Amino acid sequence: EDQVTQSPEALRLQEGESSSLNCSYTVSGLRGLFWYRQDPGKGPEFLFTLYSAGEEKEKERLKATLTKKESFLHITAPKPEDSATYLCAVHPLKTSYDKVIFGPGTSLSVIP
Amino acid sequence: DVKVTQSSRYLVKRTGEKVFLECVQDMDHENMFWYRQDPGLGLRLIYFSYDVKMKEKGDIPEGYSVSREKKERFSLILESASTNQTSMYLCASSHRAVQETQYFGPGTRLLVL
Repeated sequence: EDQVTQSPEALRLQEGESSSLNCSYTVSGLRGLFWYRQDPGKGPEFLFTLYSAGEEKEKERLKATLTKKESFLHITAPKPEDSATYLCAVHPLKTSYDKVIFGPGTSLSVIP
Repeated sequence: DVKVTQSSRYLVKRTGEKVFLECVQDMDHENMFWYRQDPGLGLRLIYFSYDVKMKEKGDIPEGYSVSREKKERFSLILESASTNQTSMYLCASSHRAVQETQYFGPGTRLLVL
């Protein structure tokens, strides 16, 4: 069964303390992996799409990487405004339609 | 920029009422989706549409129906609202391509009393 897990469930960082969030997936094949940021009470905001192992994408203090089994979202020198829930989603190769599977998310708090 | 809008940010309804949630996208996307998001359960797909008048059931379609009469508009209908349908409802859209990203609206927080 296709599955996406994320760890940790919650992460508390001091401002400037770099860290990584993990997204592990079990799928028959991967069409794409997506990272979103979600602020409380709002819809998810698209960050990155990764398509193949070894690929990396960067945006400001965020960098996403992809291997055959997992993806990491690295946060360098985070600021309080980076506090949010980060969602990972996977688009499996064998689906009857364009369905993605979302992980449960990692709630990040950056303390000033 | 992709823009997905939802008709209401907050909605309060009574049990048994018929509820309409509307979503509009301005990027000519073929695919549109309705999800609900609950604490501890994450995002769950209710219905999906890949073209006008076409729909597919997602993981939790019971108690819901949808309508897509125009390409840019996708409506979620709760025929008879129940308290267990209190949730955050999110609409998304994407191009019909092999690896296309879904873009989300701001969400509608529905409370059924």
